[in-house]
Amino acid sequence: AQKITQTQPGMFVQEKEAVTLDCTYDTSDPSYGLFWYKQPSSGEMIFLIYQGSYDQQNATEGRYSLNFQKARKSANLVISASQLGDSAMYFCAMRTNFGNEKLTFGTGTRLTIIP
Amino acid sequence: DVKVTQSSRYLVKRTGEKVFLECVQDMDHENMFWYRQDPGLGLRLIYFSYDVKMKEKGDIPEGYSVSREKKERFSLILESASTNQTSMYLCASSPGWGSYGYTFGSGTRLTVV
Repeated sequence: AQKITQTQPGMFVQEKEAVTLDCTYDTSDPSYGLFWYKQPSSGEMIFLIYQGSYDQQNATEGRYSLNFQKARKSANLVISASQLGDSAMYFCAMRTNFGNEKLTFGTGTRLTIIP
Repeated sequence: DVKVTQSSRYLVKRTGEKVFLECVQDMDHENMFWYRQDPGLGLRLIYFSYDVKMKEKGDIPEGYSVSREKKERFSLILESASTNQTSMYLCASSPGWGSYGYTFGSGTRLTVV
C-alpha cells in the first residue's frame, strides 16, 4: 500500500525566508511519481512540481524545488524567498504503477508567511 | 484553458436525502476521480474511473456510488446522506497513464443537517 506522511501540521515563516515542507513516502513499487500541490483559502488545488522516481535530478519550477532523497524516501518541497501569497495548505501526493493512476495524498501542511 | 467544473460550490442537504455531485471536464481526459477532504485527514479517494461506465473503489467508498455515462461527466452519489458525510468534495481528471497533468475542480462544500 502507498502512504504519504507530512509531519508538520502548521508552519509560520518570516517573509523572504526559505521554507522546507517535509514529505516522506512509502511504496514497494519501483516506479512512482511525487507531486506537490498548493491549496489557497479559495480551495482550488494548484499543481506546483513533479518528481519521477527515475529522474536523475531534483525537480525545480521557479521558486519551488523538490529535495528528492530516494534512499530515505523523502521528497521535501523547498520554497525560496517566501512571499505573503505563499500562505496556503500544501499537500504532498504520490502516484504508483501499482496504484493505477490514483493520487495518494498526505494530510497537508498549513504554511503561514508572516510579514 | 483546461477545466474541471463542479456544479455546486456550496450545498446543504438533509439527512437521508439522495445527493448528486456533478463533475464535468472539457479536456477529453480518460481518468476521473472523486476525493473527500477533511481537516487533518488530507484528501482521501472515494471512487475513480478509467473510462466510460468503468469505476473502481477508492479508499473510502462506503456510503457513495458513482456514475460515468459520458467521458466528460463523473457523478458522485450519496444514496442516503448522513451528517458524517459533511465535507469538501473535490473532483479531478487526468489524461492517462504516466501523465502528471491532474486537474482539480474548485470543490463542493457539502453540509448535511
